[in-house]
Amino acid sequence: QSVLTQPPSVSGTPGQRVTISCSGSSSNIGNYIVNWYQQLPGTAPKLLIYSNDQRPSGVPDRFSGSKSGTSASLAISGLQSEDEADYYCATWDGSLDGPLFGGGTKLTVL
Amino acid sequence: QVQLQESGPGLVKPSETLSLTCTVSGDSISGYYWSWIRQPPGKALEWIGYIYYSGRTNYNPSLSSRITISVDPSKNQFSLKLSSVTAADTAVYYCARLQGGRTTNFDYWGQGTLVTVSS
Repeated sequence: QSVLTQPPSVSGTPGQRVTISCSGSSSNIGNYIVNWYQQLPGTAPKLLIYSNDQRPSGVPDRFSGSKSGTSASLAISGLQSEDEADYYCATWDGSLDGPLFGGGTKLTVL
Repeated sequence: QVQLQESGPGLVKPSETLSLTCTVSGDSISGYYWSWIRQPPGKALEWIGYIYYSGRTNYNPSLSSRITISVDPSKNQFSLKLSSVTAADTAVYYCARLQGGRTTNFDYWGQGTLVTVSS
């Protein structure tokens, strides 16, 4: 079980705004930047948000990230059916001395 | 456009060694960190380890006794060996480029290869 805690699933209807939380500790989120990955069914993860709140080129501004203390969040506004995927938070962990992924959240668009 | 491609056997017997290679195209392997990440069926991502192009490595402590990651800059490739495998090592194995040390900025990924451990 990951030490980065995400809800197993979230859902929303098209056009809605949803948020996915990622809870950690001072050994990870509290002292390091957070990245978010989107994994569409049957594909490799794709970097969605880096450095807590930055979007790589090509990622729509419907996706936004934030971090406060030992928690981080990913928000998706104007939900679309193509957003249905698994989402993972990731950060460096000082105890592991390496990258750490959250347990993942499955987003269902109803 | 940077592309990564994993290659290796899709089936490994219990107690044997899993060997995978990642071939990088579109950019030099020099100057970057290169990582292996795995995902058991229906489960979350797990970092295995990474190697700097110079050869310096960092492994997940939970796997470090069984892992060897190596790099061959002349072939623009890096490789993973995982020894004494069990069914718990069945997973999709991804190679990825890591943008710098002490970060989780994996900006390019291979498509992944499923490795099944079974007799």
